[in-house]
Amino acid sequence: DGGITQSPKYLFRKEGQNVTLSCEQNLNHDAMYWYRQDPGQGLRLIYYSQIVNDFQKGDIAEGYSVSREKKESFPLTVTSAQKNPTAFYLCASREEPYNSPLHFGNGTRLTVT
Amino acid sequence: GQQVMQIPQYQHVQEGEDFTTYCNSSTTLSNIQWYKQRPGGHPVFLIQLVKSGEVKKQKRLTFQFGEAKKNSSLHITATQTTDVGTYFCAGSIFGGSNYKLTFGKGTLLTVNP
Repeated sequence: DGGITQSPKYLFRKEGQNVTLSCEQNLNHDAMYWYRQDPGQGLRLIYYSQIVNDFQKGDIAEGYSVSREKKESFPLTVTSAQKNPTAFYLCASREEPYNSPLHFGNGTRLTVT
Repeated sequence: GQQVMQIPQYQHVQEGEDFTTYCNSSTTLSNIQWYKQRPGGHPVFLIQLVKSGEVKKQKRLTFQFGEAKKNSSLHITATQTTDVGTYFCAGSIFGGSNYKLTFGKGTLLTVNP
């Protein structure tokens, strides 16, 4: 089955540590996205990538970094500079054309204490 | 940045009652998409509207895109318990990056059986 895999489902880290969230897709989609979801805040765009080796900042990129070395992979690193990292993180992808639907993974719930 | 406002934030209805959520953008949108997120799940694509004044129906769900392409609505007729979840609108700004999709904060619908 084609889809988007995010792992792990739950992740716990101590404050001051960097942590990388995995996102893999086998849908052969060019564009990939990272969103952060907080209660009552909807989905806020962190980073997006239209193609391999290229990515753009979204609305809340501070404290996060990404890489896009392979078409199927778009890992997100939450750095220690992110002031409020505890949240639900959703990865998504979409095929061409640009206005096609987003396909989401099941998400990773990150808790930093 | 681009703002996509969505109201109401919460709506509780009795089963059989109608429900409407509204989405407004500060700028003209190229298109608007609607997603549903069940409790504990990830957003799932419902529909996309592209044309000014467009109306689309999916069984009990009616979607509208305003004439100015700045607002949209989702109306559910005779709600059922299976309609429970958070409904999000998401738009791409006209003239901006077509790959950037901005979500509203969502409307959480609960249905009393």
